[in-house]
Amino acid sequence: QQQVKQSPQSLIVQKGGISIINCAYENTAFDYFPWYQQFPGKGPALLIAIRPDVSEKKEGRFTISFNKSAKQFSLHIMDSQPGDSATYFCAALQGANFGNEKLTFGTGTRLTIIP
Amino acid sequence: AAGVIQSPRHLIKEKRETATLKCYPIPRHDTVYWYQQGPGQDPQFLISFYEKMQSDKGSIPDRFSAQQFSDYHSELNMSSLELGDSALYFCASSEDITGANVLTFGAGSRLTVL
Repeated sequence: QQQVKQSPQSLIVQKGGISIINCAYENTAFDYFPWYQQFPGKGPALLIAIRPDVSEKKEGRFTISFNKSAKQFSLHIMDSQPGDSATYFCAALQGANFGNEKLTFGTGTRLTIIP
Repeated sequence: AAGVIQSPRHLIKEKRETATLKCYPIPRHDTVYWYQQGPGQDPQFLISFYEKMQSDKGSIPDRFSAQQFSDYHSELNMSSLELGDSALYFCASSEDITGANVLTFGAGSRLTVL
């Protein structure tokens, strides 16, 4: 049973456009929601993260929108660039304050930015 | 900046053989996690260690075991290997800072079972 559902599975966006990836979760005990970017042959790298007491967080071209009541969160990449082409994983974590965390990952979105 | 070091990067084994993967966390990171990522799949949590004690266990087969040593490096031991064990194995480490959590992943060890 997939605890964190991610869509779409793949996404093609034109350079300069907005890439949007969506995730939904069931477990209301999750209290930390990071996004990871993974290039082929590399480990996932933390991109941006949000806590459920905040509805939006922006870092450069990357924005997380969080809807606690709907149990959904999304990643928006503004002005998408070819270098953003990668696989993106949303994740959720329970017990972020206790140093005993484990991540539950979404199924990943393969993003391709075309010129 | 120092990163999470994993070795070996690639490993080829036969069915029923044994494999050992090593992970060296970022200095001063006290928590180590192991993840398994099958082809085209999301990373699945296997096991974690906090201060050299097992802190959590995920979908790790009984044929697998792991430990964290006094220098905080960790080893994942896999016995009676099966074809389905072929995957990328990632180690990640984190520092226990209340209110923040940053897992840093290693580059992974690719295990191929023939």
